[in-house]
Amino acid sequence: SQKIEQNSEALNIQEGKTATLTCNYTNYSPAYLQWYRQDPGRGPVFLLLIRENEKEKRKERLKVTFDTTLKQSLFHITASQPADSATYLCALAGGGGADGLTFGKGTHLIIQP
Amino acid sequence: EPEVTQTPSHQVTQMGQEVILRCVPISNHLYFYWYRQILGQKVEFLVSFYNNEISEKSEIFDDQFSVERPDGSNFTLKIRSTKLEDSAMYFCASSEAWGGYGYTFGSGTRLTVV
Repeated sequence: SQKIEQNSEALNIQEGKTATLTCNYTNYSPAYLQWYRQDPGRGPVFLLLIRENEKEKRKERLKVTFDTTLKQSLFHITASQPADSATYLCALAGGGGADGLTFGKGTHLIIQP
Repeated sequence: EPEVTQTPSHQVTQMGQEVILRCVPISNHLYFYWYRQILGQKVEFLVSFYNNEISEKSEIFDDQFSVERPDGSNFTLKIRSTKLEDSAMYFCASSEAWGGYGYTFGSGTRLTVV
């Protein structure tokens, strides 16, 4: 069955450093991969999308890479700030024409001042 | 910035009762979705809706669930006879199109079945 793995433990990063989050998947051939931010009690907020034929995407301090051979995406936040503290969700879609997103459990990121 | 609006924010219901969760998607979006998140677990896909019909549904979306777009703006999720295990946060989402567009999620309805 399809599986998405994200570091389930909290990731503690010093303010100003680069935070790198990992998303691995198995038994899936997604057309695209998305990253979302989720704060407690709130809905996911869309951050970035990367297609299967793209290697890297950037938006301001965010960067996503996508390696379909390794079945892995890395999500980077540079110059991290305490306001970046949240849970970050990886989501896949598009395999076999399906349009529903399959989410990972998310990684809880804590940026220490 | 356009928002997806969900009402109510909290709903408490007795087991076996019917509930209707309401959503107003972004006006120029064409695809609409319901997801749920049980406390401490991942966000799970329930159903997608396009062109006034269900486009895809998950195994969770059984005969107890139904969706409707009763007018040009609202999108509803009905649970016919609620069970304790239906307690979760329910999120509505919409997107401009299929294929490479981010989804805009609402703030959710917290459903508690007692």
